[in-house]
Amino acid sequence: AQKITQTQPGMFVQEKEAVTLDCTYDTSDPSYGLFWYKQPSSGEMIFLIYQGSYDQQNATEGRYSLNFQKARKSANLVISASQLGDSAMYFCAMREAENSGGSNYKLTFGKGTLLTVNP
Amino acid sequence: EPEVTQTPSHQVTQMGQEVILRCVPISNHLYFYWYRQILGQKVEFLVSFYNNEISEKSEIFDDQFSVERPDGSNFTLKIRSTKLEDSAMYFCARDSRSNYGYTFGSGTRLTVV
Repeated sequence: AQKITQTQPGMFVQEKEAVTLDCTYDTSDPSYGLFWYKQPSSGEMIFLIYQGSYDQQNATEGRYSLNFQKARKSANLVISASQLGDSAMYFCAMREAENSGGSNYKLTFGKGTLLTVNP
Repeated sequence: EPEVTQTPSHQVTQMGQEVILRCVPISNHLYFYWYRQILGQKVEFLVSFYNNEISEKSEIFDDQFSVERPDGSNFTLKIRSTKLEDSAMYFCARDSRSNYGYTFGSGTRLTVV
């Protein structure tokens, strides 16, 4: 079974509007972290936002916010006031066993959503 | 935080040749990782490296792959005999536990011909 599911291969949004990118996850671990990364056409992976499973509030970073619904196992990224520079691939990822004290904190990625911002 | 630097940014190699991809993370981080992204596909975990040892490797990380930290700062991924299907973007990463962020290098685009 997929651990991270991003059901939107592509999304379009008008400049200055808000957009929500969907992400659902699957884990039996009570302690995990959820990440969103942006990958522009140049290829680098840019960290956007993080949500811990025990965090009481939804994470926010500037124009990015994470709509965390733990019972539904969803962690949707909301981008407000879209800009042309937001056009990129967006990946949701999960890190399990956040507080286990172990030595491996690998990320599991979804397949990504290609966001296009139209002028 | 300072960036994670990867070299080269792009490498073209003939099938069967050995390649070494290099990463310079911050030396005081203990957790390092290599990931692979085949063009148009998702990012896949290859191997994690903790305290100068491999702590976990995926099924992709077969005997053709190896990792080293030869001088305490550089972190290398070696592919001994490249195959066409090794063509991908390779990322190294370090775990910035303090800010909950995982910092990725700029990537090396490997093309096997």
